[in-house]
Amino acid sequence: EAGVTQSPTHLIKTRGQQVTLRCSPISGHTSVYWYQQALGLGLQFLLWYDEGEERNRGNFPPRFSGRQFPNYSSELNVNALELEDSALYLCASSLDRADTQYFGPGTRLTVL
Amino acid sequence: EDQVTQSPEALRLQEGESSSLNCSYTVSGLRGLFWYRQDPGKGPEFLFTLYSAGEEKEKERLKATLTKKESFLHITAPKPEDSATYLCAVQGTNDMRFGAGTRLTVKP
Repeated sequence: EAGVTQSPTHLIKTRGQQVTLRCSPISGHTSVYWYQQALGLGLQFLLWYDEGEERNRGNFPPRFSGRQFPNYSSELNVNALELEDSALYLCASSLDRADTQYFGPGTRLTVL
Repeated sequence: EDQVTQSPEALRLQEGESSSLNCSYTVSGLRGLFWYRQDPGKGPEFLFTLYSAGEEKEKERLKATLTKKESFLHITAPKPEDSATYLCAVQGTNDMRFGAGTRLTVKP
């Protein structure tokens, strides 16, 4: 069974640009979560989507947004990139909110 | 507010030297406590889920235990390939909250 997939693997952008990251959950999973992990820091919760709706968001500015599609895949959009947005962006999926979250390999974003 | 604290921050062991990692938590309405392993630059790999105090789970050289205030990840006779960062997370009535992790290095 395929795990969570994310694309692209790596991305280099400059300040002020916009970026879109993509995530496909494990088949059958309806909940998708996004996390930011800056170098040397812990995982910070960004967004949670379930059944196509945004259910919760972490303490991040509105320029971090996303959506979930009818097939449960998801996109994370970051506008007006700043240097401190450089991080590993991780997507996870679960069957249900309280269930185990399974993570994808991540997208490494570098902002120059 | 839900909190997760892992200790120690870093741990260096000799191959075969058993030890334990600690995860202390405060959470409203624990729905699950999760252990993950993360290699540098990669996504966390799921290890265990514990749901209630007294529960234990084992996998190869790893054993996770849970009390009402903390969880331990016991590593028995570790090997160099066990070197990684081990993350603890709790799911309460709010979001999943992750600890900062314990960076484990096992020397041959």
